[in-house]
Amino acid sequence: EAGVVQSPRYKIIEKKQPVAFWCNPISGHNTLYWYLQNLGQGPELLIRYENEEAVDDSQLPKDRFSAERLKGVDSTLKIQPAELGDSAVYLCASSRDRANTGELFFGEGSRLTVL
Amino acid sequence: EDKVVQSPLSLVVHEGDTVTLNCSYEVTNFRSLLWYKQEKKAPTFLFMLTSSGIEKKSGRLSSILDKKELFSILNITATQTGDSAVYLCAVGKRGGGADGLTFGKGTHLIIQP
Repeated sequence: EAGVVQSPRYKIIEKKQPVAFWCNPISGHNTLYWYLQNLGQGPELLIRYENEEAVDDSQLPKDRFSAERLKGVDSTLKIQPAELGDSAVYLCASSRDRANTGELFFGEGSRLTVL
Repeated sequence: EDKVVQSPLSLVVHEGDTVTLNCSYEVTNFRSLLWYKQEKKAPTFLFMLTSSGIEKKSGRLSSILDKKELFSILNITATQTGDSAVYLCAVGKRGGGADGLTFGKGTHLIIQP
């Protein structure tokens, strides 16, 4: 079974530039998550999707961050404009459905460096 | 506000030693506690615990949950250099499946040869 796929793995941009990250979850997984992980910290939830619906986006800084999962499969997370403090690893995760055991499967992450 | 606190934040031991990693939590509507291992890439699942006092075991790793005292421990016996990683504890809340987990900061474990 293919795992969660994310791209790009690394991205370096200058502040005020836009950036987008892409995630393809495990086939058949209805729930998709975007997490932010700063150095030395645990992952923090940004947004959770059930199919194409964003059911928890309370931690997403909506002034500059946006996300979409139009067909309930792939998802894109965008930052516009990026700030220095956005440098972090952006992790995507998926799970089968809301009735599952609670296990999330993570992608390898997209490491963003904002100069 | 939900809290997950791990200790120690970092630990250096020699190969062959036994280590115990701690995770305490304060969450409303607790459902499950999960342990993940994170090397340089994605966190990988180790254990999920939902019931107190029942040890989960996988090879040299084991974990147990105490829902009365609100903590869990992860034990690793006969450590090997490949056990070097960040170990993350996360708590899930009741209310439906894998609602976003709340993670601790992790314990950075270094095993020296």
